[in-house]
Amino acid sequence: EPEVTQTPSHQVTQMGQEVILRCVPISNHLYFYWYRQILGQKVEFLVSFYNNEISEKSEIFDDQFSVERPDGSNFTLKIRSTKLEDSAMYFCASSEIGDSPLHFGNGTRLTVT
Amino acid sequence: GEDVEQSLFLSVREGDSSVINCTYTDSSSTYLYWYKQEPGAGLQLLTYIFSNMDMKQDQRLTVLLNKKDKHLSLRIADTQTGDSAIYFCAEPQSPGSARQLTFGSGTQLTVLP
Repeated sequence: EPEVTQTPSHQVTQMGQEVILRCVPISNHLYFYWYRQILGQKVEFLVSFYNNEISEKSEIFDDQFSVERPDGSNFTLKIRSTKLEDSAMYFCASSEIGDSPLHFGNGTRLTVT
Repeated sequence: GEDVEQSLFLSVREGDSSVINCTYTDSSSTYLYWYKQEPGAGLQLLTYIFSNMDMKQDQRLTVLLNKKDKHLSLRIADTQTGDSAIYFCAEPQSPGSARQLTFGSGTQLTVLP
């Protein structure tokens, strides 16, 4: 069964550094998403992306964050100048169309020290 | 929906049925979802139900939807140790944001031998 893949599975970075989290969505899916889960808290929506542009974003997704689809298969989340509170599990997801179920990857655990 | 509520813990004996409950807030949601998260893994789409349905059955899984009470439940028949995981219900934040899911806090299901 096709699946969403994320790399790396674990990323450790120092405060103030930039990180790029990578995702390969399911190939025939058109919508892409990033969610995050801070340890002990709920899974939170960050951003959705369609047709090479952001379609929705939450209050969390401020100027520190950006997304890109650099080629036909990858979807990336860039976090500039990381802060301690950015430490979380970041999940990528994709869906076939806007209202179809979201399929999530296994996540990247980001640890900011 | 602004808040999706779930109880945090449930323990059952192997072979018994498990019932995981969820209350949601937006009665106009089109789909409601159940995701499963095993330790160290991502969010696996378990099942979903369309809002015009009362019940959906898929092998050992039964989803019941009570729109009047905004109550969603997931029943797992003949629960196995491999069912031990965290189960999240999720709903679209609003009809216009079907892609922006609001998650519950998750119910940790422990299956005792």
